[in-house]
Formats: sequence, C-alpha cells, structure tokens
Amino acid sequence: NAGVTQTPKFQVLKTGQSMTLQCAQDMNHNSMYWYRQDPGMGLRLIYYSASEGTTDKGEVPNGYNVSRLNKREFSLRLESAAPSQTSVYFCATFNEGWNSPLHFGNGTRLTVT
Amino acid sequence: DAKTTQPPSMDCAEGRAANLPCNHSTISGNEYVYWYRQIHSQGPQYIIHGLKNNETNEMASLIITEDRKSSTLILPHATLRDTAVYYCIVKYSGSARQLTFGSGTQLTVLP
Repeated sequence: NAGVTQTPKFQVLKTGQSMTLQCAQDMNHNSMYWYRQDPGMGLRLIYYSASEGTTDKGEVPNGYNVSRLNKREFSLRLESAAPSQTSVYFCATFNEGWNSPLHFGNGTRLTVT
Repeated sequence: DAKTTQPPSMDCAEGRAANLPCNHSTISGNEYVYWYRQIHSQGPQYIIHGLKNNETNEMASLIITEDRKSSTLILPHATLRDTAVYYCIVKYSGSARQLTFGSGTQLTVLP
C-alpha cells in the first residue's frame, strides 16, 4: 500500500522549460491537492480537485495547470518554468465527508535555473 | 475555511510536555481542528484532530476550548525527534474546499 506517490523526487529545469509533476494515490480518495512550499515557508495551495473531472484554483495558481486524469491521478504542469517556481511540491489526498485527515506524498524538489 | 494563528517558534526541554497553541476564532460549527507536523522537508504527517471534545491518541492530546476559538496540542513527553514544524488547520468535514496552511510553529526540543 503505497499511499500517495509523487514522481519525480528531484528535478532541475532551465527557465522556459516545461514539465509535469505526477501524483498517484491508491486510497480511493475523491479529493486531491497540490501545494508548494518555499524554503522556510508554510504550504500554499496551488490547485485542488474535489473529484474526477473537476479542478479549482487555490491561493497561487498562476504559472500552473492541472489535470485530474482519473480518480487515482492528479498532475501539475509547468508550461514555462521560472526561477520563482523553485520550490518543493506536495500532493495530498483525503476523503471528504469521512472526517479523514490529509495524506501527503513525500514531495518533488524542483529547481529552476 | 477558518484561518488559524500560531506562534512562529517555541522551545521545549526534552522529556517535558510541549504545549502548542492555535487560535481559530472564526471557526464554524462544522469545522474540525487538525494538527500536522513536518520534519525537515518531508511531507506533513497527520497527528490528531477533533471537533469539540478533547482527544488523545498515541502521539498527542488535543485540548479544544469550550467556545472552540482556540486549541492546544500537547506532546506529553517531548523527544528530540519531535523537533518539527507543527501546523494547525481547520477543515470542513463535508465537501472538498480549499485547505490552506499557515506558517506553523517551529518546535525545537532541547537536550
């Protein structure tokens, strides 16, 4: 039982390059979230998805796109990476209505040079 | 969802109880209080949650005031491994909404 799996674990991009961060969960949870965490800062919500086929913006959505491919997978895409997007990205899931906690992946550490 | 306020940092002596406060004065009746911690840059780890009654599990105790406007996470016998950033959030138990984290409290357990 892997829980929440994020790939890749580390990535270095050059300014202007694109990439997709992957998140997959095997807990059959409906809701999935993408957060970013800058050094010494708290978590900030980028996008979330309440269910398959739906996505909504969080606090800091600019520069990102998301796709809820199916119930298991929620991807985050950077179309044209910028140094300001250097951060650690966390994916999380939970089952609303079940009073359950958020379950987090171990993060993707992204550096944009 | 209601916002939370936590002190930026606290110290605690090893073996003593660590009491971490959280203010959530705008909490609504159907919002739960959740606590997480983050060690180094790992993914946040769930600790405990509650609605209005005090709760205890193998990791910690949660004390929620009667008016529910604040709460305290208690680590009864802090160890060096409890050094982490602790986050308090309030979460609606119904349909998914934005879940935002504040800056948390950096707890340092001193030997």
